[in-house]
Amino acid sequence: GAGVSQTPSNKVTEKGKYVELRCDPISGHTALYWYRQSLGQGPEFLIYFQGTGAADDSGLPNDRFFAVRPEGSVSTLKIQRTERGDSAVYLCASSLMAEGEQYFGPGTRLTVT
Amino acid sequence: RKEVEQDPGPFNVPEGATVAFNCTYSNSASQSFFWYRQDCRKEPKLLMSVYSSGNEDGRFTAQLNRASQYISLLIRDSKLSDSATYLCVVIGSGGSYIPTFGRGTSLIVHP
Repeated sequence: GAGVSQTPSNKVTEKGKYVELRCDPISGHTALYWYRQSLGQGPEFLIYFQGTGAADDSGLPNDRFFAVRPEGSVSTLKIQRTERGDSAVYLCASSLMAEGEQYFGPGTRLTVT
Repeated sequence: RKEVEQDPGPFNVPEGATVAFNCTYSNSASQSFFWYRQDCRKEPKLLMSVYSSGNEDGRFTAQLNRASQYISLLIRDSKLSDSATYLCVVIGSGGSYIPTFGRGTSLIVHP
């Protein structure tokens, strides 16, 4: 079956611009997670959704970051006024239940110039 | 102290060797534990869940030690294709299912 998909695979943007990253989870998975990964580090938790609601957004670094999942399936991570420090790979994962096994998408590599 | 700690390595072993990694965690109430494998510039892929009773999948064995708060991964008869970064993840409890990943342990298997 189809796995988690993410678009775009690569995004280069200028400092100060707005970007949207999309995640399409595995069908039927109610939990969806966003992570950020920098070189040599493990994925850093940003936010997770249970259904349509953000169950925990404590990992979002500041108010420039926002995520939505309006219909409980596809999610969009939005970053306003991008900074060079936002450059990283943004990973999305989904799971059947919040404490269960997560399956990752291929990630979006964001580069802010 | 970090919530989840792993020795970054690299662990450099010959083919056929047995190698073990540990991952310590600080939250004693953590409920779920997993090992993932990540190849260079790829996404993490689930390797195995870690159960209280321990579990084995072919050459891989995972164990949980709640008293000492660590999980382990044992790889027997290492293959060249086992070369990767191995990430542990611990998921919290008490209604907040925040996953915390370790930084990963790099394994290099050489001929």
